[in-house]
Amino acid sequence: DAGVTQSPTHLIKTRGQQVTLRCSPKSGHDTVSWYQQALGQGPQFIFQYYEEEERQRGNFPDRFSGHQFPNYSSELNVNALLLGDSALYLCASRFSGANVLTFGAGSRLTVL
Amino acid sequence: GEDVEQSLFLSVREGDSSVINCTYTDSSSTYLYWYKQEPGAGLQLLTYIFSNMDMKQDQRLTVLLNKKDKHLSLRIADTQTGDSAIYFCAETNDYKLSFGAGTTVTVRA
Repeated sequence: DAGVTQSPTHLIKTRGQQVTLRCSPKSGHDTVSWYQQALGQGPQFIFQYYEEEERQRGNFPDRFSGHQFPNYSSELNVNALLLGDSALYLCASRFSGANVLTFGAGSRLTVL
Repeated sequence: GEDVEQSLFLSVREGDSSVINCTYTDSSSTYLYWYKQEPGAGLQLLTYIFSNMDMKQDQRLTVLLNKKDKHLSLRIADTQTGDSAIYFCAETNDYKLSFGAGTTVTVRA
């Protein structure tokens, strides 16, 4: 079992650009969440997807959007990138009836 | 709202016990978690405790929960160099985890 896999692992963008990050959940998991971890801070909840719909959302602007596909994989899109969007973006998955999240290794985004 | 606080740094000698403390504010939290993050890596779940428990032990790890004071602690027995990492406390009452800023544990020989 590969666990939660994320791609790319690192990427560099410039202000104003758009980025798409991808996540494949752990086998058997149907719910995917995304978290943003700025340097020196704990992860902050962005949103959660279940049955291909955004179910809950944290305090993030509409520039942050996502998608979940029928195979449960997910994408995080960020438009009009700002310097402050530089962070480690973590994907986490779980089975909808469980309480334990499994995290991926993250995608480190640097905005110049 | 949720607010989770942890001390930022802990230095411990190899072989000693480490105790990492955490306080939270959401009294409706159902589960509380400890995650470990090594440099350049994601979060690894160490252990978790249901809010109606006051203690949980798992090999070298002991979690203590004082629900009245909203205080959670993680004790690592016989701390090893491989335990050097950032440790995050997190609470949840529904769909999301709320994390503290993390405690950086340094194990010295």
